[in-house]
Amino acid sequence: AQSVTQLDSQVPVFEEAPVELRCNYSSSVSVYLFWYVQYPNQGLQLLLKYLSGSTLVKGINGFEAEFNKSQTSFHLRKPSVHISDTAEYFCAVKRYSSASKIIFGSGTRLSIRP
Amino acid sequence: DTGVSQNPRHKITKRGQNVTFRCDPISEHNRLYWYRQTLGQGPEFLTYFQNEAQLEKSRLLSDRFSAERPKGSFSTLEIQRTEQGDSAMYLCASSLNREVPGEQFFGPGTRLTVL
Repeated sequence: AQSVTQLDSQVPVFEEAPVELRCNYSSSVSVYLFWYVQYPNQGLQLLLKYLSGSTLVKGINGFEAEFNKSQTSFHLRKPSVHISDTAEYFCAVKRYSSASKIIFGSGTRLSIRP
Repeated sequence: DTGVSQNPRHKITKRGQNVTFRCDPISEHNRLYWYRQTLGQGPEFLTYFQNEAQLEKSRLLSDRFSAERPKGSFSTLEIQRTEQGDSAMYLCASSLNREVPGEQFFGPGTRLTVL
């Protein structure tokens, strides 16, 4: 079975400051890794994904994430946040062989202070 | 707008009543998924269709829940004899058969409140 742990339920940061949202996963089989974002009153949107290859993955809106296999982590980073980044961020995994379900973490609420 | 749409966006019902939600996926997407999201949690997988065939169901999907996708296009999720524990956001997503892994496109959700 797979599981995803997001260590911080809330992360407050000041505008233009850097941010890191932590994610650790557990799986006995190979998985793909994702970060989704959910803006207020909107559906989930794919931010970035790691399938294979380079462990540093760049996504939309200036976000990037680094896959660390030895630490089973996939932390999300942005060097300078904006008010518009206020949202809930979900880390997720999907088995290579699965055609269906994505396993999500419990989410991290990012709040940006001016 | 060619995104995933869900109706209604909000539903308030009394315990014991039946409710039905509808999801219209992106046209030509042959895979459709239902997830449930409770407060403070990430979405949890409920079930998945490829065309009209329901290929996987989660143990979360009790016998009070039924999902259909009769013509391989829109889908409905029905909850019979609702309970307060059914209060949640119900999310629908769709994808192509040969999608980039994880590229599921989500709708805005239907928020269910059971009184």
